[in-house]
Amino acid sequence: DAGVTQSPTHLIKTRGQHVTLRCSPISGHKSVSWYQQVLGQGPQFIFQYYEKEERGRGNFPDRFSARQFPNYSSELNVNALLLGDSALYLCASSAGPPSTKNIQYFGAGTRLSVL
Amino acid sequence: AQSVTQPDIHITVSEGASLELRCNYSYGATPYLFWYVQSPGQGLQLLLKYFSGDTLVQGIKGFEAEFKRSQSSFNLRKPSVHWSDAAEYFCAVVVYGGSQGNLIFGKGTKLSVKP
Repeated sequence: DAGVTQSPTHLIKTRGQHVTLRCSPISGHKSVSWYQQVLGQGPQFIFQYYEKEERGRGNFPDRFSARQFPNYSSELNVNALLLGDSALYLCASSAGPPSTKNIQYFGAGTRLSVL
Repeated sequence: AQSVTQPDIHITVSEGASLELRCNYSYGATPYLFWYVQSPGQGLQLLLKYFSGDTLVQGIKGFEAEFKRSQSSFNLRKPSVHWSDAAEYFCAVVVYGGSQGNLIFGKGTKLSVKP
């Protein structure tokens, strides 16, 4: 079975542009979470979705938004890119609702560079 | 606020030597704890988890970790390190609140292995 897949793997944008990152969860998984990992730091939580509903949001500006589709795939959108948005964006999926002991499995990430 | 501290930014060990990576957490309730490993340019792979029960947990690749509530620690150990263990290691705690369950990560410990 395929793991969590993310696209694209690498992306270069300029300041002020918009970007969309995509994630397909493990087959059968209904929860998707997004994390931002800045170089030299641990991942930081951005969003969590379960059954197409937003279940949680981290401390990120409104320029960041996300959604989950009926097939449980997800998109992360970032508007008005800043240099500080350069990071590895990780998607994680888990089988059940976030409030239970569900393990999060991570994709390889999308490396975003903002110039 | 919940937090995870990994005191060691970078550790170098010789191949065949034993390894211990430190992790301390701050969390009011019973924590659910994880260790993930990240190879360069890759996503996060789950090494092991602690939910409850036996405080010594076994993981993949010969790793184990011990939960010590009195010390708020969850240190990762391996008796004999292999060159392929060189990577970055992240300790994490799951934070549950309302309908949300997201991971809080430490800043990571980079492991280098000398031949």
